[in-house]
Amino acid sequence: DTEVTQTPKHLVMGMTNKKSLKCEQHMGHRAMYWYKQKAKKPPELMFVYSYEKLSINESVPSRFSPECPNSSLLNLHLHALQPEDSALYLCASSQAPSGTDYTEAFFGQGTRLTVV
Amino acid sequence: QKEVEQNSGPLSVPEGAIASLNCTYSDRGSQSFFWYRQYSGKSPELIMSIYSNGDKEDGRFTAQLNKASQYVSLLIRDSQPSDSATYLCAVNIGNTGKLIFGQGTTLQVKP
Repeated sequence: DTEVTQTPKHLVMGMTNKKSLKCEQHMGHRAMYWYKQKAKKPPELMFVYSYEKLSINESVPSRFSPECPNSSLLNLHLHALQPEDSALYLCASSQAPSGTDYTEAFFGQGTRLTVV
Repeated sequence: QKEVEQNSGPLSVPEGAIASLNCTYSDRGSQSFFWYRQYSGKSPELIMSIYSNGDKEDGRFTAQLNKASQYVSLLIRDSQPSDSATYLCAVNIGNTGKLIFGQGTTLQVKP
């Protein structure tokens, strides 16, 4: 089972709203990722959690706030977004590094976010 | 210099031909390399991983890695119209957990 589940699939929010994106995996993976993807562009790394601790933040604006409540769940809290934040938000997970290797990352189906 | 580079294409091949996709990366400390396929409107799907120099084959797909040249490639044999998609090269930069994607190469397989 290589399933990563993201909810919701689609989200429309106003610039003053607060919303959260959720991601869940039951593969025992201990590394989880958030990516943002605009049309015709590659996924752009936002955050990496390793063993439930934030290990990489790619200088993401504070209106995006990640949270990893346990080893299976990853949230992305959204507040005061701008229309240019509209994109596909992808969650991924992989086994945490053993030795020097990070293994394959598997992606969820994404949340299509529109900010109005 | 970008951390991971690919030609954006489009790369057009006839059905049954071999498609060759290339990728270069900048950090010599990188150890983990991946190819993903992404159909329009869908999320990336892992198709190959490679960690050691040389070739790795899986069905119609062969990944090739040359760490000295900092070069990764993907060969697709007997290309099918269903292979038409964007192919993304991903590298775990310096083995830090920072999984970075190239721009992607759009492949078109014409019947």
